[in-house]
Amino acid sequence: DQQVKQNSPSLSVQEGRISILNCDYTNSMFDYFLWYKKYPAEGPTFLISISSIKDKNEDGRFTVFLNKSAKHLSLHIVPSQPGDSAVYFCAATPVVAGSYQLTFGKGTKLSVIP
Amino acid sequence: EAGVVQSPRYKIIEKKQPVAFWCNPISGHNTLYWYLQNLGQGPELLIRYENEEAVDDSQLPKDRFSAERLKGVDSTLKIQPAELGDSAVYLCASSLGRALTDTQYFGPGTRLTVL
Repeated sequence: DQQVKQNSPSLSVQEGRISILNCDYTNSMFDYFLWYKKYPAEGPTFLISISSIKDKNEDGRFTVFLNKSAKHLSLHIVPSQPGDSAVYFCAATPVVAGSYQLTFGKGTKLSVIP
Repeated sequence: EAGVVQSPRYKIIEKKQPVAFWCNPISGHNTLYWYLQNLGQGPELLIRYENEEAVDDSQLPKDRFSAERLKGVDSTLKIQPAELGDSAVYLCASSLGRALTDTQYFGPGTRLTVL
């Protein structure tokens, strides 16, 4: 049973446009959410995170939105650049002291077309 | 600053053979993780270390997998004997501590192919 779901295996976006990557979760204990980016032959790299006490967190071109009632979060990249082409993983963890364990989704492969 | 180093990057073995992976975390990072990533899936935690102590190994298949982190720095993950289903990428990650905001930094992984 997948607790973190990324239902779109791939997404293609034109350079300069907005990329929206979606993630749904089922475990109501999840309180902290992260996005990682992964290039081929490299390990995942942390991108941005959000706590459940917020509904939005912004860092430059990247914004994460959290809708806790819908158990849904999304990552917006504006404007998209060819260097953003990578696999994006959504991850979540409960906030229980000493028990942080990331559960990852399957990833969405983003292709930004020049 | 050097990142997380893993070796080897690639390993091909026959089933029933033993295999070992090595990880050198970022200097000063007390927490070390081993993840398994199957093709088309996200990483799944196998074991987490706080210094030398394995504090979460509930997902480690202990009949064939073992890990150690001597002196609280480098770590090795071993599989003996390997099975066909063990073909995957094994990722090592480290973080400064175990706080929620301590970012996990991943190494490039070891891609294991079991024939």
